[in-house]
Amino acid sequence: DQQVKQNSPSLSVQEGRISILNCDYTNSMFDYFLWYKKYPAEGPTFLISISSIKDKNEDGRFTVFLNKSAKHLSLHIVPSQPGDSAVYFCAEYSGAGSYQLTFGKGTKLSVIP
Amino acid sequence: SQTIHQWPATLVQPVGSPLSLECTVEGTSNPNLYWYRQAAGRGLQLLFYSVGIGQISSEVPQNLSASRPQDRQFILSSKKLLLSDSGFYLCAWSSVSVGNTIYFGEGSWLTVV
Repeated sequence: DQQVKQNSPSLSVQEGRISILNCDYTNSMFDYFLWYKKYPAEGPTFLISISSIKDKNEDGRFTVFLNKSAKHLSLHIVPSQPGDSAVYFCAEYSGAGSYQLTFGKGTKLSVIP
Repeated sequence: SQTIHQWPATLVQPVGSPLSLECTVEGTSNPNLYWYRQAAGRGLQLLFYSVGIGQISSEVPQNLSASRPQDRQFILSSKKLLLSDSGFYLCAWSSVSVGNTIYFGEGSWLTVV
């Protein structure tokens, strides 16, 4: 059973509008969630994270919201730009020592000019 | 600053042939090292992780193996490749000094024919 679920495999958004990428999880004992952005044939790059003790973290155009009661988090990109077109992975970090991440399957975002 | 490199970037190998993918990290000591695989429709799957020289943990049973002969070197190997081994392989590192974030290399495309 998947611990981290990204139920939308793809999302298309007009340039300038808001992109909302969603992620659901099952493990209540996590420490952090992280979002990664991945272009084709490249390694994922870290985007933004949120601690379990927070419900919001903002960095420029990117904001992550955490709803612990619903076991849901979302990444908001405002305004969306064509360069944001990529696959976005949600990842859960829980446990000490080895810093393992559990990834969702990703959502492919296409920002249409 | 820290950097991670993996090679080769692309590889086409026949079924039954051996495999060796190499990864090195610079600019940090005693990092945690990881091998992930991205297969179609399956997101990022953790294959191996290592918390120190000679210490390897396997997450998924398979015909692959990993070794860590030096502190900042991580090698992914196979004695006999299967068609199902095709995919995009990613080396990654993390460290206490940079918090709860895993940083990825550029990736290696493996096609088994």
